[in-house]
Amino acid sequence: DSGVTQTPKHLITATGQRVTLRCSPRSGDLSVYWYQQSLDQGLQFLIQYYNGEERAKGNILERFSAQQFPDLHSELNLSSLELGDSALYFCASSTTLSALTDTQYFGPGTRLTVL
Amino acid sequence: GDSVTQMEGPVTLSEEAFLTINCTYTATGYPSLFWYVQYPGEGLQLLLKATKADDKGSNKGFEATYRKETTSFHLEKGSVQVSDSAVYFCALISGGSNYKLTFGKGTLLTVNP
Repeated sequence: DSGVTQTPKHLITATGQRVTLRCSPRSGDLSVYWYQQSLDQGLQFLIQYYNGEERAKGNILERFSAQQFPDLHSELNLSSLELGDSALYFCASSTTLSALTDTQYFGPGTRLTVL
Repeated sequence: GDSVTQMEGPVTLSEEAFLTINCTYTATGYPSLFWYVQYPGEGLQLLLKATKADDKGSNKGFEATYRKETTSFHLEKGSVQVSDSAVYFCALISGGSNYKLTFGKGTLLTVNP
């Protein structure tokens, strides 16, 4: 158990809908990262937050957004969903801003299925 | 940009066989290197890491040595068990993008009794 929790575990929805994925980092971790794992793209970094502020963006679509709240939990919002958004979405957390020397701990993921 | 190339799977071995999963990388500066493991139905777990050249990461019988001259970080285990069956991901973080992990495509390992 990494200490990172994600809800829900599974989500099934229809095209055009909007969903929210939730992540609670390990106790004491200030950085939260979101990754998408799909069969064709593999594991890709989406976005990072540190202590409530967005710090880095990766291959995140404009239809997707995220935020980190004062209690440090984070939410990833996916809107106007398309079939291709079906994937596993992982949250990871680390203690510091720089992951170069720190370690990212991953949650169990949320499996999103868009029908 | 940064990239990680790891051997294509799947890899199927008998219990107690020797395991090598090759991983090479291109990166800005001097990256930190990682192996993550994903057991069926679970999230990624850090298996081992190395943060500078010639460092050896080790955990649960797995080892990998950071080879700067060959830009490689091959994963090895002397005697695999059925419980090692999982997907293994090589990954890096470089000084040029020290916030995100760049992953290889993953290698599925199946160990038969």
